Amino acid sequence: KNQVEQSPQSLIILEGKNCTLQCNYTVSPFSNLRWYKQDTGRGPVSLTIMTFSENTKSNGRYTATLDADTKQSSLHITASQLSDSASYICVVSAIGNQFYFGTGTSLTVIP
Amino acid sequence: GAGVSQSPRYKVAKRGQDVALRCDPISGHVSLFWYQQALGQGPEFLTYFQNEAQLDKSGLPSDRFFAERPEGSVSTLKIQRTQQEDSAVYLCASSPPRQEGTREQYFGPGTRLTVT
Repeated sequence: KNQVEQSPQSLIILEGKNCTLQCNYTVSPFSNLRWYKQDTGRGPVSLTIMTFSENTKSNGRYTATLDADTKQSSLHITASQLSDSASYICVVSAIGNQFYFGTGTSLTVIP
Repeated sequence: GAGVSQSPRYKVAKRGQDVALRCDPISGHVSLFWYQQALGQGPEFLTYFQNEAQLDKSGLPSDRFFAERPEGSVSTLKIQRTQQEDSAVYLCASSPPRQEGTREQYFGPGTRLTVT
């Protein structure tokens, strides 16, 4: 069964600290993996997208990694800011235009 | 340019009522997706259009759910005889015509449906 699992479910960190969010998937055949940020009451916004051949992709303070062999991805946030408080969703796309969403990690950055 | 817009942003319906949710995709985007997002959960796929053709509706939870995109642009998701379990945020996303493997999805703000 195609699944995407994220951990932790929620996370609270101090402003300025780093954090890493995890995503494990069983989606096959794999096409690409995306990380989205979803602010409360808003639609998800894309942060990174990685295909099979890419193992790291950065977008400002966000760095995503992908290990296609172990089917794991991580999103590392550096020097967190209050505006980073949001839900972070891992989405894995299968060949054939199917998208599988994780349940998200709720991140709260406190001053 | 304008992003994906959805209306209404909030909808309260009494159980048994029919509702219609509208999605205006980004101009020129051929692909359109509908998702259902329950509170505290990730979005779940409902249906997918390429232009006016509904290519996949495997995620629609019951025959009370119906989606259309008659002219290949605006789409409407209709829910008949709403039930309390239909309460969720309904997200619409559109994608430009690109190589399938890296096609980006642009999401609207969603419609929050509450069935009382």
